[in-house]
Amino acid sequence: GAGVSQSPSNKVTEKGKDVELRCDPISGHTALYWYRQSLGQGLEFLIYFQGNSAPDKSGLPSDRFSAERTGGSVSTLTIQRTQQEDSAVYLCASSPRIEGAHKTDTQYFGPGTRLTVL
Amino acid sequence: AQSVTQLDSHVSVSEGTPVLLRCNYSSSYSPSLFWYVQHPNKGLQLLLKYTSAATLVKGINGFEAEFKKSETSFHLTKPSAHMSDAAEYFCVSNYGGSQGNLIFGKGTKLSVKP
Repeated sequence: GAGVSQSPSNKVTEKGKDVELRCDPISGHTALYWYRQSLGQGLEFLIYFQGNSAPDKSGLPSDRFSAERTGGSVSTLTIQRTQQEDSAVYLCASSPRIEGAHKTDTQYFGPGTRLTVL
Repeated sequence: AQSVTQLDSHVSVSEGTPVLLRCNYSSSYSPSLFWYVQHPNKGLQLLLKYTSAATLVKGINGFEAEFKKSETSFHLTKPSAHMSDAAEYFCVSNYGGSQGNLIFGKGTKLSVKP
């Protein structure tokens, strides 16, 4: 079946512009995660959605970052007033359900969006 | 805080020789543990996962990992490396926090020489 898809695959923008990154999770997956992969910081958690619950935004690095998930499916990560340090690969993952303490679920990753801020 | 430590940032082996990628986790809780592989310009692919069942876990492409609680380790091995194994490997933990978010090691880049 179809995996997690992300668009665009590459985005180049100028400092100060806003960008939107899109994630289409695997159909039926209720949990959706955004991560960021950068040279200096490795892979870090950004935000988590579970069903219709309010998202957990504890990993967002600043208030310039926001995300929404419409209809419990597609998610958009928005970065306002981009800075050069926002350059990274943004990865989206989904998992089928949350069971117990959540820790056994496998997360399936999309190919990522490579963001370059000039 | 929970953490995962990959002991080598870069490992180089010859084709046909064994692969060992080392990983240690912090022992505050009993996490689920995963190994993911990332080929250049590709997404993360799950190799295998440990969820407190069998301590020796077999994954795809001939990889396996052994959970050793006494050593807080989850090293990844493969008996014979192939050129196609060249990639970056991430040891990942999930301690079951409220989000269930993954905690990643820094990654180990595996090079395979012909």
